[in-house]
Amino acid sequence: GQQVMQIPQYQHVQEGEDFTTYCNSSTTLSNIQWYKQRPGGHPVFLIQLVKSGEVKKQKRLTFQFGEAKKNSSLHITATQTTDVGTYFCAGPSGSARQLTFGSGTQLTVLP
Amino acid sequence: DGGITQSPKYLFRKEGQNVTLSCEQNLNHDAMYWYRQDPGQGLRLIYYSQIVNDFQKGDIAEGYSVSREKKESFPLTVTSAQKNPTAFYLCASSISGTPGRTYNEQFFGPGTRLTVL
Repeated sequence: GQQVMQIPQYQHVQEGEDFTTYCNSSTTLSNIQWYKQRPGGHPVFLIQLVKSGEVKKQKRLTFQFGEAKKNSSLHITATQTTDVGTYFCAGPSGSARQLTFGSGTQLTVLP
Repeated sequence: DGGITQSPKYLFRKEGQNVTLSCEQNLNHDAMYWYRQDPGQGLRLIYYSQIVNDFQKGDIAEGYSVSREKKESFPLTVTSAQKNPTAFYLCASSISGTPGRTYNEQFFGPGTRLTVL
């Protein structure tokens, strides 16, 4: 079955440093979604990428979808303590709107 | 105020007991999902439903059961057959959309933390 791998599993950064998490799929994806889960909370949708090579920005967050549509990345510039949480990528699987989630990258921002 | 509610937030049960977790949504979404999350891990799909009175097993359905009698409700029962039920359970919903078109985002409820004593 489809696998979605995400690295790193954990990342500690000093506030103000940049952060990147990478997502790789074993199969070509029609689209990829990114979610953020704050400690003790639930995942919240951030963005969806659809086109090959697509780049989208949300303030300090930059999302990229690879040319082959098998990988994606999330880059945060100048992290803040509000960025703390676990970031998940997710790709569609099956024929009925299922998502396969990556294992997530847990970001800790040290003040 | 639209959204997904799950109850209870924390649940304790003794070994050998079945327990039902509630999930209700007023977003008028057709699709609903149940995920299990273990500490430091991603989300694993238990069951999903695309339409009322129909549901399918996900990757880890053994020891769980669901029903979908109403569009708004998708309760999950954790049975005594589930070997390691202590986990964080998340319910989600999404618009089904049109087959072949772009998938839609999933909206998650606040989750239920189940602890088996």
